[in-house]
Amino acid sequence: RKEVEQDPGPFNVPEGATVAFNCTYSNSASQSFFWYRQDCRKEPKLLMSVYSSGNEDGRFTAQLNRASQYISLLIRDSKLSDSATYLCVVRVRTNAGKSTFGDGTTLTVKP
Amino acid sequence: DTGVSQDPRHKITKRGQNVTFRCDPISEHNRLYWYRQTLGQGPEFLTYFQNEAQLEKSRLLSDRFSAERPKGSFSTLEIQRTEQGDSAMYLCASSLESSSYEQYFGPGTRLTVT
Repeated sequence: RKEVEQDPGPFNVPEGATVAFNCTYSNSASQSFFWYRQDCRKEPKLLMSVYSSGNEDGRFTAQLNRASQYISLLIRDSKLSDSATYLCVVRVRTNAGKSTFGDGTTLTVKP
Repeated sequence: DTGVSQDPRHKITKRGQNVTFRCDPISEHNRLYWYRQTLGQGPEFLTYFQNEAQLEKSRLLSDRFSAERPKGSFSTLEIQRTEQGDSAMYLCASSLESSSYEQYFGPGTRLTVT
């Protein structure tokens, strides 16, 4: 079993749709959580950190459930430019340098 | 451009040859990371440095792989006796010291072993 698991998709949604991605992690010592975005043949870029209380950045909302070891990302009012692969990332405090990435969920937003 | 840079961007080599990649991190970042990514998968951690000290190495980093950061600035990743399975994108990232700080990625070096 992988340390960080994501539904690979692909998710194909129309513009304006709301879409949610899920991520589960196996290491209960995990302390820091992130969502990264990766465009085709480009490097990953931080989309947002995920805080225990949940956090929102414009159309994007991230949630963390430590008890279930589950992270989610909600995108509202999808734009064509949201088409990308979304990577769930987990770090363990005692292993602070290493980030463990999921394999990503691919989103395609269509007109 | 003050982001993370990597050189070369692409490398094609024959099986059995040695290759070396370079990464220049963001100047004030004391942490530097190497990852490997293959198609359809997320980046896999290889190793990281804090200043010049290599603090962790993945079991993915076989004896054929070696990384250095001699002066705590740029880093090199060398692969000896390349194999076809080494074909991948090699990503470098840098950050400030803390698990909560963002890791900034470079554009990667795409290695093809023929």
